[in-house]
Amino acid sequence: DAKTTQPTSMDCAEGRAANLPCNHSTISGNEYVYWYRQIHSQGPQYIIHGLKNNETNEMASLIITEDRKSSTLILPHATLRDTAVYYCIVREPNAGNNRKLIWGLGTSLAVNP
Amino acid sequence: NAGVMQNPRHLVRRRGQEARLRCSPMKGHSHVYWYRQLPEEGLKFMVYLQKENIIDESGMPKERFSAEFPKEGPSILRIQQVVRGDSAAYFCASSPGQYNSPLHFGNGTRLTVT
Repeated sequence: DAKTTQPTSMDCAEGRAANLPCNHSTISGNEYVYWYRQIHSQGPQYIIHGLKNNETNEMASLIITEDRKSSTLILPHATLRDTAVYYCIVREPNAGNNRKLIWGLGTSLAVNP
Repeated sequence: NAGVMQNPRHLVRRRGQEARLRCSPMKGHSHVYWYRQLPEEGLKFMVYLQKENIIDESGMPKERFSAEFPKEGPSILRIQQVVRGDSAAYFCASSPGQYNSPLHFGNGTRLTVT
């Protein structure tokens, strides 16, 4: 079973920031949080990942709470092309070198004009 | 730098035929993962391979499914004697193998069994 909980769906107005929450209350000390998205009929696209500190790249920002039990993915200026299903994933514990990821159902983000 | 390449993009097979799905990882990546996705569901892990070795096949059905990643050439996911329940999108991902490096996915092969 997935180790994360996300809202099923969210809406966002074009040009506004999209804030996608994720709960991972059972996360272990050395487990990273990964975010991917899947646009219809395409393969999952890697967005960002982090351990403790907030992270930012050209696509998004990742805010991880101090206790690491939850995180928020921020798309600063959402566009229509950001409409997708967003997955928050914590790597399976004791996976060693196996980067097998357990996927939930994600959040379906609709960016509206 | 080319991404993960999967082919064919769409594959139609009749019940009982064999399906062969190919995956070429990103340049420099020696780790390959196969996932299956049914409509309206999340991705389900199938198998993890490194060059010439199967590391974890805990998600593979016990019969009819096999995977390989030879020293030369693409990784192959083979499904023998396909049934309608095998209809799904099959995604391949690759990584370079460093700890916590993210997986990079191809655009998948959509298998339809008629």
